[in-house]
Amino acid sequence: EVQLVESGGGLVKPGGSLRLSCAASGFTFSSYSMNWVRQAPGKGLEWVSSISSSSSYIYYADSVKGRFTISRDNAKNSLYLQMNSLRAEDTAVYYCARDDASVGAFDYWGQGTLVTVSS
Amino acid sequence: QSALTQPASVSGSPGQSITISCTGTSSDVGSYNLVSWYQQHPGKAPKLMIYEGSKRPSGVSNRFSGSKSGNTASLTISGLQAEDEADYYCCSYAGSSTYWVFGGGTKLTVL
Repeated sequence: EVQLVESGGGLVKPGGSLRLSCAASGFTFSSYSMNWVRQAPGKGLEWVSSISSSSSYIYYADSVKGRFTISRDNAKNSLYLQMNSLRAEDTAVYYCARDDASVGAFDYWGQGTLVTVSS
Repeated sequence: QSALTQPASVSGSPGQSITISCTGTSSDVGSYNLVSWYQQHPGKAPKLMIYEGSKRPSGVSNRFSGSKSGNTASLTISGLQAEDEADYYCCSYAGSSTYWVFGGGTKLTVL
């Protein structure tokens, strides 16, 4: 069974940093691109960042470019999101999602981890 | 990176059919056959319902169908059931600069 479990969320002050993790199991992690998608309270989904299976290709939404860094450790079946210079508008539930190239969509999602940026 | 345009809400009675539209541009929906639809119940993670515009993943009811014409994709739910009440989001690949873009979401109410 495919499982994605996020962790690392919490309360952080504006300008602060946080590192999110996503532990994957039930599939060959190193064969799939992975993504972070966020959802502000009461709002819609927003794609944040993508990383290819071997980390060769990395993409960011304009809203986080230069502040967030996506990475992965295929030996540990883990995905990460380093978030720096956090702003109030980064407050959201952050989901990790598997990107199956054979279907061109996010076919599995984690349960999400809440990041709150507030003083 | 403008979001795709969806109606904020739609409603229908049990047994009826509804359609949710998702309007993009020639840079996203109109250029790629990579539109997907997600169902999200309150407090839950999104669930993939349609991929590549019209294909259903294994386990998704055939009451859900998708289509695309030009820059607009559509999700149709037939034979509405109470459990279909949820938020629905479309998503499209938008090329190597923008990558993925979501719609603003549509709240479906089953009357």
